[in-house]
Amino acid sequence: ETGVTQTPRHLVMGMTNKKSLKCEQHLGHNAMYWYKQSAKKPLELMFVYSLEERVENNSVPSRFSPECPNSSHLFLHLHTLQPEDSALYLCASSKGPGSGNTIYFGEGSWLTVV
Amino acid sequence: GQQVMQIPQYQHVQEGEDFTTYCNSSTTLSNIQWYKQRPGGHPVFLIQLVKSGEVKKQKRLTFQFGEAKKNSSLHITATQTTDVGTYFCAGSAGAGSYQLTFGKGTKLSVIP
Repeated sequence: ETGVTQTPRHLVMGMTNKKSLKCEQHLGHNAMYWYKQSAKKPLELMFVYSLEERVENNSVPSRFSPECPNSSHLFLHLHTLQPEDSALYLCASSKGPGSGNTIYFGEGSWLTVV
Repeated sequence: GQQVMQIPQYQHVQEGEDFTTYCNSSTTLSNIQWYKQRPGGHPVFLIQLVKSGEVKKQKRLTFQFGEAKKNSSLHITATQTTDVGTYFCAGSAGAGSYQLTFGKGTKLSVIP
């Protein structure tokens, strides 16, 4: 059981679709993250939010658009994705944004772009 | 940029054998964390090492942080089938950085 909940767990979308991934954390943390995990690359940090403010954007293409309406919720809006964007997208949270904080991951959203 | 290399990529062991995975950073780290991801699951935090030369144990798992704070290892004694999964190290060059750089992980298979 995780204190970070992600929906949907599985998503199949066409390249012209618009969809969103949702994340909610129940841990009272102040920082939230989006990571991408694919078979060929290590876990890649996409975005970091601290107290609803985006503090890091790791050169992610604009077809990925994050939104953090409050410290408990995080969205990843997806539009005009490419097949190579198919991956496991992991949401995570931590007490603070510093690297010394333990990161708690959600179960992930498996995305397939067709 | 900072790189974290992890070896081996895969390891198959007979149940009861020991297992070790190694993590090497291109830069000095302020801390290193280890995570385990079961098949079909998500990464789960195991431990954090901060001090040079630090050694920590969790039952059959022993974690070490090198003297130069550029490498680390995870050793499992007498593996069990419950140890199956991928073990990731993740390091940071600075305490104030948001960036945790993950290694590619070592996928452990345990043959009963």
